Amino acid sequence: AQSVAQPEDQVNVAEGNPLTVKCTYSVSGNPYLFWYVQYPNRGLQFLLKYITGDNLVKGSYGFEAEFNKSQTTFHLNKPSALVSDSALYFCAVTTNQAGTALIFGKGTTLSVSS
Amino acid sequence: GAVVSQHPSRVICKSGTSVKIECRSLDFQATTMFWYRQFPKQSLMLMATSNEGSKATYEQGVEKDKFLINHASLTLSTLTVTSAHPEDSSFYICSASSTSRQFFGPGTRLTVL
Repeated sequence: AQSVAQPEDQVNVAEGNPLTVKCTYSVSGNPYLFWYVQYPNRGLQFLLKYITGDNLVKGSYGFEAEFNKSQTTFHLNKPSALVSDSALYFCAVTTNQAGTALIFGKGTTLSVSS
Repeated sequence: GAVVSQHPSRVICKSGTSVKIECRSLDFQATTMFWYRQFPKQSLMLMATSNEGSKATYEQGVEKDKFLINHASLTLSTLTVTSAHPEDSSFYICSASSTSRQFFGPGTRLTVL
């Protein structure tokens, strides 16, 4: 069965500092991994995805994530956090590119202080 | 990127009434749409997979007679919450699948009094 774990409920960083939001996955087969961000009472906004190829994936708003197959991780990083990055972040996984629902992690609340 | 809309964005209803939520893919045809539910401070949980022209596939624990899904066209799927109760209050999000991406609607906040 597929599963996604986000071990931290909340991550607090100061503006300008690097941030990391952790994600660990478990799938049978090749994973397709995604990061989404959700602002209060809003839907999901796509940040980035890993399908194949380069393990380092760059996405929207300066975010990037590194696919690590041996450790089954897909942590989200940003070199310099902004207050506006404060939101709820979800990691998601599937094993099929199209036509398959995503399995979401429980979410991590990122709080960036000025 | 592709756009998915949901209507209404927010609805408040009395217990026992039915509520219909529409999900539309505005600029692409989606053979598959998904319905998720998100309770406060929790993750998104898949409710059902909706395929155009066929019956929806429901996840375990989701009552198909309570959450009626219709996917009559390649651009429209509807979720009807029948005889809604306060415990059905939640944030309902649809997504439409296109090649390697899922595009999410903005969500519908349902409050049942």
